[in-house]
Amino acid sequence: DSGVTQTPKHLITATGQRVTLRCSPRSGDLSVYWYQQSLDQGLQFLIHYYNGEERAKGNILERFSAQQFPDLHSELNLSSLELGDSALYFCASSVSRGTGTGELFFGEGSRLTVL
Amino acid sequence: GESVGLHLPTLSVQEGDNSIINCAYSNSASDYFIWYKQESGKGPQFIIDIRSNMDKRQGQRVTVLLNKTVKHLSLQIAATQPGDSAVYFCAEIYTNRDDKIIFGKGTRLHILP
Repeated sequence: DSGVTQTPKHLITATGQRVTLRCSPRSGDLSVYWYQQSLDQGLQFLIHYYNGEERAKGNILERFSAQQFPDLHSELNLSSLELGDSALYFCASSVSRGTGTGELFFGEGSRLTVL
Repeated sequence: GESVGLHLPTLSVQEGDNSIINCAYSNSASDYFIWYKQESGKGPQFIIDIRSNMDKRQGQRVTVLLNKTVKHLSLQIAATQPGDSAVYFCAEIYTNRDDKIIFGKGTRLHILP
């Protein structure tokens, strides 16, 4: 158990809908990262928050947004869903502000299926 | 967190043999590298890291080799066990710039009995 909690574990929805994925980092970790894992693309970095502030942005679509709250949990909002958004979405946390230690602790992921 | 469906290259190794998983990274400015292991149904898990001022680092049963000249990283697993069956990802970071951990495509390691 990594200590990172993601909900929901599975989600099935229809095209055009909006969903929110939630992540609770490990106790004491200030950084939260979101990654998308699809069949053909592997792990794609979406966004990184540190202590409530956005630190880095990756290949995150404009239809997607995220935030980190004062209690350090994070939410990833996916809107106007398309079939291609079906993927596993991972949250990871680390204690550090940067990526210098490299040790991210990943949750078990939220599997999104868009029909 | 099911990774079984990923379209990945597969390396099949006899139990007890050594495994070598290779990775080509993309950015010559990357200065920090990590190997992650993802077992079926779980998220990726940190295995070992190496900084660009080193060319080799050893852990417990694992060794990472870095060749900056050809932008190549490898993970060697000694005496492969059934529990090593997983997808292995290399990741690169350019720590002085954009603070992003960029993962490679991954390799599935399959252990033969």
